[in-house]
Amino acid sequence: KAGVTQTPRYLIKTRGQQVTLSCSPISGHRSVSWYQQTPGQGLQFLFEYFSETQRNKGNFPGRFSGRQFSNSRSEMNVSTLELGDSALYLCASSATGTSGRKVNEQFFGPGTRLTVL
Amino acid sequence: GNSVTQMEGPVTLSEEAFLTINCTYTATGYPSLFWYVQYPGEGLQLLLKATKADDKGSNKGFEATYRKETTSFHLEKGSVQVSDSAVYFCALRNSGNTPLVFGKGTRLSVIA
Repeated sequence: KAGVTQTPRYLIKTRGQQVTLSCSPISGHRSVSWYQQTPGQGLQFLFEYFSETQRNKGNFPGRFSGRQFSNSRSEMNVSTLELGDSALYLCASSATGTSGRKVNEQFFGPGTRLTVL
Repeated sequence: GNSVTQMEGPVTLSEEAFLTINCTYTATGYPSLFWYVQYPGEGLQLLLKATKADDKGSNKGFEATYRKETTSFHLEKGSVQVSDSAVYFCALRNSGNTPLVFGKGTRLSVIA
């Protein structure tokens, strides 16, 4: 089974531009989560999509947005880029979410390294 | 709120040395606990997990036991190899629908 794929792997942008990152989850997985990884803040949760609906959202400004398509592929968009947005953006997929104590394992992609100049 | 605290690195060990990376957590309810590993230039890989108190997760010679009384999930390996050099993240998740909460990560370097 193919793993989580993210494109592009590397991206260089300048301040003020906008960027779109893409994530294809493992086949059959309907949940996609996005995380930002920086040396200073570590791994921080951005948002999660399940069946094309945003289910959870982290504490990031509105410049960060995402969406999920009917095939479960997801994109995240960052508008008006700032220097501080330079980071590794990780996508993770998991199988159908459930309520209660069952925990669905998250599988991570290799990430997209965004550099903002 | 939920949080994870793990020992700061970097940790440098000689090959075949014993490894311990401490991890403690604060959480409401009964979280599941995870250790993820990140090799240079790659994403995160799940190393092991435990879903309830006293469970022991193990994989590739690594072990961690879910200790509710001490709110800890320390990672151990009896004999490290150069190939174990990576960054290790402790994480928790409260239910199937909540996001993972990560510790800051501990960089391990193993020298031959």
